[in-house]
Amino acid sequence: NAGVTQTPKFRILKIGQSMTLQCTQDMNHNYMYWYRQDPGMGLKLIYYSVGAGITDKGEVPNGYNVSRSTTEDFPLRLELAAPSQTSVYFCASRRAGGGDEQFFGPGTRLTVL
Amino acid sequence: AQKITQTQPGMFVQEKEAVTLDCTYDTSDPSYGLFWYKQPSSGEMIFLIYQGSYDQQNATEGRYSLNFQKARKSANLVISASQLGDSAMYFCAISNFGNEKLTFGTGTRLTIIP
Repeated sequence: NAGVTQTPKFRILKIGQSMTLQCTQDMNHNYMYWYRQDPGMGLKLIYYSVGAGITDKGEVPNGYNVSRSTTEDFPLRLELAAPSQTSVYFCASRRAGGGDEQFFGPGTRLTVL
Repeated sequence: AQKITQTQPGMFVQEKEAVTLDCTYDTSDPSYGLFWYKQPSSGEMIFLIYQGSYDQQNATEGRYSLNFQKARKSANLVISASQLGDSAMYFCAISNFGNEKLTFGTGTRLTIIP
């Protein structure tokens, strides 16, 4: 049981490039989330999904896209990377129903130069 | 909209002492959950403790307890007998019982002094 895995761990992008951050969970969780954490700050929600085929925007969705074709995978797509997207990105998952913790992946540190 | 306020950017505490990390929240939802996460320097997010809005008793998990005062909208984390390994960032978060989205505070950096 690996929990929530994220790839890559680190990435440097040039302005205008695109990339996909991968997230996979093996706990059969319905809910999955993407957060970003800027230096010295808390986490902010980018997108979330309550099940395969269903996604919704969070607090800071601009510049990002997601898809959820399977229960396990929830990739985050960055189009036309900008320096403002330099951050640490966390994927998380939880099962349906109130009161359960979110399980976080180890994070992806992204730098846009 | 939900909001978490953590007013202590940093705290220094002597080893073996108890420490209280403050958290106040704002929400219009009648049902919600409050969470505390620890983020050590390695960067991972570690779940510590959870309190539901309708729970009658304060949550406890080992050395961690949550001082939940619903009328004051506060959910302070208490760490008893602090250890050097407790040095980390601590985040308070809130979610409502619907979309289960977490809203985080800005965190408190706790440093335990030997």
